[in-house]
Amino acid sequence: GENVEQHPSTLSVQEGDSAVIKCTYSDSASNYFPWYKQELGKRPQLIIDIRSNVGEKKDQRIAVTLNKTAKHFSLHITETQPEDSAVYFCADHGSSNTGKLIFGQGTTLQVKP
Amino acid sequence: GAGVSQSPRYKVAKRGQDVALRCDPISGHVSLFWYQQALGQGPEFLTYFQNEAQLDKSGLPSDRFFAERPEGSVSTLKIQRTQQEDSAVYLCASSLVGYEAFFGQGTRLTVV
Repeated sequence: GENVEQHPSTLSVQEGDSAVIKCTYSDSASNYFPWYKQELGKRPQLIIDIRSNVGEKKDQRIAVTLNKTAKHFSLHITETQPEDSAVYFCADHGSSNTGKLIFGQGTTLQVKP
Repeated sequence: GAGVSQSPRYKVAKRGQDVALRCDPISGHVSLFWYQQALGQGPEFLTYFQNEAQLDKSGLPSDRFFAERPEGSVSTLKIQRTQQEDSAVYLCASSLVGYEAFFGQGTRLTVV
């Protein structure tokens, strides 16, 4: 079945630095790749997503890039702030047409003031 | 409310007890999903409803897990004869068109 690998599992950066989280997927039919942010004890919240017809998408300090040939996609956070500290999950649909998501294992991002 | 609502937020069950977890999706959302999130892990898919029809239950770990959505709105996830390995956060999500999924806050189940 579909598999999503995410790394690193933990990431610590200084405030103001950039952070990059990478994911690889196995199903070449995948066409939708969301990123979720989950703060401790809270619900996962969608922060950005990308569809397979584009290679990059930006929203203020957050960007996602997609390489369909290599089957990997990455989250880039610039000018990190302490409030960016959370667990980040990548996900994809695989070949499912139901919308069910296959999640990566998560990256714990710590931004040090 | 405007978001996905789940209840209870926390549930402690004795091993062998049955539990029922409730999800109120966003009004009008056709798709409803249940996920299980173990500590330190990503959410794992359990089951999917389109309106009242359960179209995918491939992620349910055993026949002790049962989900329903009889009127195409509120959904209940039932776990019979709970075991310690069932301890996790159970997340419900709903979506309008099968893409952007909105999650509830989850129910943290602890089996003792």
